[in-house]
Amino acid sequence: EVQLVESGGGLIQPGGSLRLSCAASGFTVSSNYMSWVRQAPGKGLEWVSVIYSGGSTYYADSVKGRFTISRDNSKNTLYLQMNSLRAEDTAVYYCARVITGTTYHLDYWGQGTLVTVSS
Amino acid sequence: SYELTQPPSVSVSPGQTASITCSGDKLGDKYACWYQQKPGQSPVLVIYQDSKRPSGIPERFSGSNSGNTATLTISGTQAMDEADYYCQAWDSTYVVFGGGTKLTVL
Repeated sequence: EVQLVESGGGLIQPGGSLRLSCAASGFTVSSNYMSWVRQAPGKGLEWVSVIYSGGSTYYADSVKGRFTISRDNSKNTLYLQMNSLRAEDTAVYYCARVITGTTYHLDYWGQGTLVTVSS
Repeated sequence: SYELTQPPSVSVSPGQTASITCSGDKLGDKYACWYQQKPGQSPVLVIYQDSKRPSGIPERFSGSNSGNTATLTISGTQAMDEADYYCQAWDSTYVVFGGGTKLTVL
């Protein structure tokens, strides 16, 4: 059974750093595209970042230069390092597996972890 | 950057057909998918590759995509279908979401 479990969220002051983790089971993270998606309170879904199976990484303009996506193959875990956090980064952060090939869609999502940036 | 536009809200009576649209430049040349999100829950994929249903998704959910518009159709809408719905496409190297549509069943 495919499962994704995020952790690492919490309350952080503006300018601070936080690392989110997404532990996967039932499949191999490094063999798939993996993505982070966030949702600010009462708002819609916003794509944040993707890491390809080959290791290439891409970011939304809103987080480029501040966030870094990575993975630990030995732990089958995806990460999102978030630096220079701003109030507008407050959101629930989801990790998701991306199905690729003819189509690109997110077939499994984690339960999300809440990041609150506030002084 | 590529943008997808959805109506903020759609209302439907129980048992009737609900249609939610998603517009984007030449969207029909890409594949569209749809997610359902209920309050406090993670999004769930309900349609992928324009019109395919994942295992476990009821047959009343269907999709189409042509020209500049993708459409999610829910036939015989039930109260349990009340949720936010998001369309999504892939543009070169990244994921694009529509702004979401709140479906109200009343």
